[in-house]
Amino acid sequence: NAGVTQTPKFQVLKTGQSMTLQCAQDMNHEYMSWYRQDPGMGLRLIHYSVGAGITDQGEVPNGYNVSRSTTEDFPLRLLSAAPSQTSVYFCASSYGEGADTQYFGPGTRLTVL
Amino acid sequence: SQQGEEDPQALSIQEGENATMNCSYKTSINNLQWYRQNSGRGLVHLILIRSNEREKHSGRLRVTLDTSKKSSSLLITASRAADTASYFCATDNDYKLSFGAGTTVTVRA
Repeated sequence: NAGVTQTPKFQVLKTGQSMTLQCAQDMNHEYMSWYRQDPGMGLRLIHYSVGAGITDQGEVPNGYNVSRSTTEDFPLRLLSAAPSQTSVYFCASSYGEGADTQYFGPGTRLTVL
Repeated sequence: SQQGEEDPQALSIQEGENATMNCSYKTSINNLQWYRQNSGRGLVHLILIRSNEREKHSGRLRVTLDTSKKSSSLLITASRAADTASYFCATDNDYKLSFGAGTTVTVRA
């Protein structure tokens, strides 16, 4: 099993550009989530999904959109990138609910100029 | 919002020594988890302790949970250079995990 995969690994955007961060898992997990990690702040939940077709907002959802059309994929869209979105983004999945053991992807390091 | 807070923020020890870090949280929980993050990598789950458990072991790891004090500790015994990483506690909050800012552990050879 590949586990949780994320692409790209690195990305540089200009302010105002849009892009999609990809996340896929092959463990048939129902729960998937996106976090951002900033220095000294730990991980903050952006959006999450409890199954295909169901998504909800986390702690810091503004500026991001998600959709979940399949169990495997959970892309994160930046609508109009801002320097404040410079961060490392992690996708995670779990078999059950969000409080279960999370399996994390390797992360995408995003810089917005 | 951050539910858990780790202490200390950073820790430097000699190889072979034990490392202890603490996590305090604010509201009642169902479980508490510890994760490790090596530099530039994703988080890896280490151990989960439920609210009705007081202590749990996994290899060289020992986790305690004191729900009356709303605190947990992670002990790594006989540390190795490969234990150099950041360690995060995560508590369940409304069926989602809330992570602390982490403790950075450096193990010196």
